[in-house]
Amino acid sequence: IAGITQAPTSQILAAGRRMTLRCTQDMRHNAMYWYRQDLGLGLRLIHYSNTAGTTGKGEVPDGYSVSRANTDDFPLTLASAVPSQTSVYFCASSGGAEDTQYFGPGTRLTVL
Amino acid sequence: GQNIDQPTEMTATEGAIVQINCTYQTSGFNGLFWYQQHAGEAPTFLSYNVLDGLEEKGRFSSFLSRSKGYSYLLLKELQMKDSASYLCAVISDDYKLSFGAGTTVTVRA
Repeated sequence: IAGITQAPTSQILAAGRRMTLRCTQDMRHNAMYWYRQDLGLGLRLIHYSNTAGTTGKGEVPDGYSVSRANTDDFPLTLASAVPSQTSVYFCASSGGAEDTQYFGPGTRLTVL
Repeated sequence: GQNIDQPTEMTATEGAIVQINCTYQTSGFNGLFWYQQHAGEAPTFLSYNVLDGLEEKGRFSSFLSRSKGYSYLLLKELQMKDSASYLCAVISDDYKLSFGAGTTVTVRA
């Protein structure tokens, strides 16, 4: 692995189902982030983690949860998916909170 | 909330120069980033400005004026592969990165 990986690449999900998007980085970065990108709205921060064991809420956290059990992994869970959560989800990481963020390839999620 | 404005679209000819402006109003300022994003791909880092002035990196330059809440990204000697979205992003006092909606640049032959 080099950089950040995300899985799955894309997913179609029925409304009401639970879904976990996976994100793994091998750069030993302290900080990790989840964004969603919607047409015309740009990237919006969902949740972040400045270091393993801590998490915080971003601009649009409702309906999403995260955990940071170790440095490398930062999964994003949709407990009960709704159509408005249809989006492209990007995971990112940085050495520290003010450092350059590097993005994973994204997960395209469609909730029907 | 944070407010970051940039034009929605720009079109230019191969070999030309294009300047993408970004204005911001944020709660504090700890740096400004420019990212490039090709359709269907992840954003990739282009430049970082935290002090006033011009940062040059090959064909790309980025300028910052903190007093005016203004930045621009200058793309010189445009190539077809420069057709992409360019995202302006600001780190505010809470150390979170806020993005503008992006500027789609189309390079024509």
